[in-house]
Amino acid sequence: QQQVKQSPQSLIVQKGGISIINCAYENTAFDYFPWYQQFPGKGPALLIAIRPDVSEKKEGRFTISFNKSAKQFSLHIMDSQPGDSATYFCAASRETSGSRLTFGEGTQLTVNP
Amino acid sequence: NAGVMQNPRHLVRRRGQEARLRCSPMKGHSHVYWYRQLPEEGLKFMVYLQKENIIDESGMPKERFSAEFPKEGPSILRIQQVVRGDSAAYFCASSPPAGGSFWGEQFFGPGTRLTVL
Repeated sequence: QQQVKQSPQSLIVQKGGISIINCAYENTAFDYFPWYQQFPGKGPALLIAIRPDVSEKKEGRFTISFNKSAKQFSLHIMDSQPGDSATYFCAASRETSGSRLTFGEGTQLTVNP
Repeated sequence: NAGVMQNPRHLVRRRGQEARLRCSPMKGHSHVYWYRQLPEEGLKFMVYLQKENIIDESGMPKERFSAEFPKEGPSILRIQQVVRGDSAAYFCASSPPAGGSFWGEQFFGPGTRLTVL
């Protein structure tokens, strides 16, 4: 019940295209859903996060879509750039209790020039 | 405002030795989390600490692993009698106290890459 399932495992997109990464969770107690970006040899960097009181959040080229009834959320990267090539992790937690993050398995995104 | 700091960045140990990993949270943050990332895998929670208290250690192996976050100084993750399977990247994250607008957001350090020979 603590799992977060992420897909696809890898994704190749052309420059200017849209990258879409999907996650599904099981624990209905989760109330905080962040996305992290990780470059090789670096720590994960918080990209964008959403709470279940909204269905969508946009920050620049990055958008999170959230479907509470389906227990799914996704990251959309518009106008993908080669500099976006990295590993992306979705995560979930029970924010109100300051608890641990449960991470998805990660998606390795490659944006070709 | 400096981010989360971890040291050493790389650590090589032989089997049976001890590994000590240090984490200094962001200024003003009172919550520290440790995660482990095996090669080509996602991050797995190990332990959550507040100053002088272990809040949740459910992800940490019962043997050989321990963590502390003293009143003064960095948080320490200690691995005794390391084995090859302990080779991984260990990340520390910190978050601010409850009640603020960034409550729940965890900010990660650069990690310590442990190699056990």
